[in-house]
Amino acid sequence: GESVGLHLPTLSVQEGDNSIINCAYSNSASDYFIWYKQESGKGPQFIIDIRSNMDKRQGQRVTVLLNKTVKHLSLQIAATQPGDSAVYFCAEIRRYGGATNKLIFGTGTLLAVQP
Amino acid sequence: ETGVTQSPTHLIKTRGQQVTLRCSSQSGHNTVSWYQQALGQGPQFIFQYYREEENGRGNFPPRFSGLQFPNYSSELNVNALELDDSALYLCASSLAGTSSGNTIYFGEGSWLTVV
Repeated sequence: GESVGLHLPTLSVQEGDNSIINCAYSNSASDYFIWYKQESGKGPQFIIDIRSNMDKRQGQRVTVLLNKTVKHLSLQIAATQPGDSAVYFCAEIRRYGGATNKLIFGTGTLLAVQP
Repeated sequence: ETGVTQSPTHLIKTRGQQVTLRCSSQSGHNTVSWYQQALGQGPQFIFQYYREEENGRGNFPPRFSGLQFPNYSSELNVNALELDDSALYLCASSLAGTSSGNTIYFGEGSWLTVV
């Protein structure tokens, strides 16, 4: 059968290199943008978020950049490690009807770290 | 560990059957959202429950229904199962009124296979 990787964009990097994962979003009204890491067989794990009135936010080894002009979000991972291998999703938080905290997920990117 | 627990973790059902999936939310969280994640895709919003009522719904047919209990735990019910319902079903809990990414906690999901 087909694997997840055949449907997802894949980024292959060497251990120790920096990784940049990109995402385009559609709704300018979103309050927050989030990056999630999802390992095989597990639920999404929060990495970092950024409020819509910011353009950069840094965490531990990760940086998120938001370019509202072109509706583009990126996740930078410094000194990528084998444990970073996973599928990464960007998501927007939207208010939809009566729902708060509805997440709209983008297409994931498979990050493969080569030792 | 997010504190959100889902059961069962894996199950196999036959087309036309009905299934119930369960979710216990993070302590203190009063809102539960359900997502469907097909293989190789990002999670898709099914609906959200707050104060035991449906509080927003995505593009899913009425055979997808849910409940929320006074202790904020929730169930997702799917009737008349179809092969395309095979997916990972994710529960996410949050506290109403919060809107940042780190306030939404996902469970590990329930893998449903329809044969």
